[in-house]
This record gives sequence, C-alpha cells and structure tokens, in this order.
Amino acid sequence: DSGVTQTPKHLITATGQRVTLRCSPRSGDLSVYWYQQSLDQGLQFLIQYYNGEERAKGNILERFSAQQFPDLHSELNLSSLELGDSALYFCASSVESLTYEQYFGPGTRLTVT
Amino acid sequence: GENVEQHPSTLSVQEGDSAVIKCTYSDSASNYFPWYKQELGKGPQLIIDIRSNVGEKKDQRIAVTLNKTAKHFSLHITETQPEDSAVYFCAATSPMNRDDKIIFGKGTRLHILP
Repeated sequence: DSGVTQTPKHLITATGQRVTLRCSPRSGDLSVYWYQQSLDQGLQFLIQYYNGEERAKGNILERFSAQQFPDLHSELNLSSLELGDSALYFCASSVESLTYEQYFGPGTRLTVT
Repeated sequence: GENVEQHPSTLSVQEGDSAVIKCTYSDSASNYFPWYKQELGKGPQLIIDIRSNVGEKKDQRIAVTLNKTAKHFSLHITETQPEDSAVYFCAATSPMNRDDKIIFGKGTRLHILP
C-alpha cells in the first residue's frame, strides 16, 4: 500500500460526458501528479501540483483540467470525453519535486463507450 | 523535447539468470533517472533511482548504471526470481527553470521462466 488513494476504481461513461477523478496523497506529501496510461502510449505525465499551485504541465489536453485543494487532495476533470480517453489514470505524490520518489495510487480505470 | 527510448519491449529470462533493460534519453539536462516496477493491476512502484552525479547504484539484486556522455542508463537484475515478473519503466526528468517534466519509457515486460 503506497498511502495514495484514488477514487473511483472503475468508471464507465459515454462519449461527450464529463467525469472527475479524485486523489488523496500520502500524508506529508505536497506534490501531486497525474498520469495517463494506455496500451499504445505507455505512461504519460499530465500535470503536477505543488501545495495547491500548478507546477509543471505535460501532455495534458485542453479538455482536461486539474486542481489541488487546501487539504492537498487533487481532482482531475475530464470533459467532452472521447473513445480515445479510455485508459488508466494514475495519481502519484511526492515530498516535493519530480526528482524525488513518487508514490503511485492504484489507479482509476476509465472506459468511454 | 525530451525523449526516452526503452529496450527491449519484452524480455524472457530463465529463473536465476540476469536481466538487463536499457534506456536512452535525449536531453543532456536530465538529472534524475528512476526505475519503476508495475505488477498486474497495481500502480508503478519505485525500485531504484540514480542521479546524474553518480555512475552506478546497487541495491541487493538490482543495480542501475548511468553513462551521461552516451546519454543512456540501464537496469540490471541478477539472480532473477518469479516475483521479478512485471513491467519495468525507466524515466528521466528534465528540469526547466522551476518546471520539472518527467518522461517515461514505453516499458519492458519481463517474464521469468521456471
């Protein structure tokens, strides 16, 4: 158990819909990261938040957005969903920046039908 | 931008033998290189990492080597065991001012044969 929790575990929705994925980091970790994992693209870094503020952006689509709240939990919002958005979405946390060990949550499997 | 190439994509080794996975990166400013192991149905877990000021690091049966000149780093697993079967990812971080970006390789599926 990494100490990072993600909800829900599975999500099935239709194209065009909007969903919210939630992540609670390990106690004491200030950074939260979101990743998308699909079979053909591997593990893609989406975005990082540090202590409530956006710190780094990866390959995140404009239809996707995230935020980190004062209690340090984070939410990833995916809108206007397309079939190609079906993937595993992981949240990870670390003490500070990307040059520290990241602890990954169990992931949310999103299926868009 | 940064690119990380990982080889091979699949690797089968006999139990007890050694396994080697190699990665190359493109950005010479990259300074942190972690390796993650992902078991079926779980999130990736860090198994070893190395920073750019070190050439080699070892932790029991696992070692990582870094060649900054050639921009490649490798994971070595000795005396492989069935529980080593998993997908392994290398990664490189490229600090850009205060914004760090991390790029993962596409993964190596390691099968340990009995």
